[in-house]
Amino acid sequence: GNSVTQMEGPVTLSEEAFLTINCTYTATGYPSLFWYVQYPGEGLQLLLKATKADDKGSNKGFEATYRKETTSFHLEKGSVQVSDSAVYFCALSDFGNEKLTFGTGTRLTIIP
Amino acid sequence: NAGVTQTPKFRVLKTGQSMTLLCAQDMNHEYMYWYRQDPGMGLRLIHYSVGEGTTAKGEVPDGYNVSRLKKQNFLLGLESAAPSQTSVYFCASRESGRYSYEQYFGPGTRLTVT
Repeated sequence: GNSVTQMEGPVTLSEEAFLTINCTYTATGYPSLFWYVQYPGEGLQLLLKATKADDKGSNKGFEATYRKETTSFHLEKGSVQVSDSAVYFCALSDFGNEKLTFGTGTRLTIIP
Repeated sequence: NAGVTQTPKFRVLKTGQSMTLLCAQDMNHEYMYWYRQDPGMGLRLIHYSVGEGTTAKGEVPDGYNVSRLKKQNFLLGLESAAPSQTSVYFCASRESGRYSYEQYFGPGTRLTVT
């Protein structure tokens, strides 16, 4: 079956540091890949997506590239801000995009 | 446009009690989902629905029942609550279609079973 493995947290960085959160996946077929973000006390929001190999998703300064050869979808941001503090979830969709499979989440804290 | 709303926000139950969580969406979405979120386990799908009157089991359906009598509402029931059902429950919805990717999430319901 499908599965998503992402780096365990928590991750603590200083403001303006470079961020990488690793995500690898196992799937049959050709899934779409996603990063969702959960701010404190809220539900999840879609941050970015990529629907085929070599696609790059980007939003709010975050980027992730769909690497089929390494089955990875690592999240990066060049300069993090305090407002980026949240829990980040990597996810993939099954064929037909009916269901999502989530990773365990990575808690990110940015200190001024 | 409220998006996805969940009722209640918090609840404490005793073992063996029953309750229903209500999810409502005003976006005319076909698909609706119930997840539970537990520390270190991410979100796990409990049940989902691909349209009014339909339901299907997800990854962890045992101990839960659902109903989708109206398109805009998706109810999650616990008939006899157990401490293992202590969790945060999220509802989500999305449009139908192969290329409708985004799921829209509600704010969550925190349930404690003692």
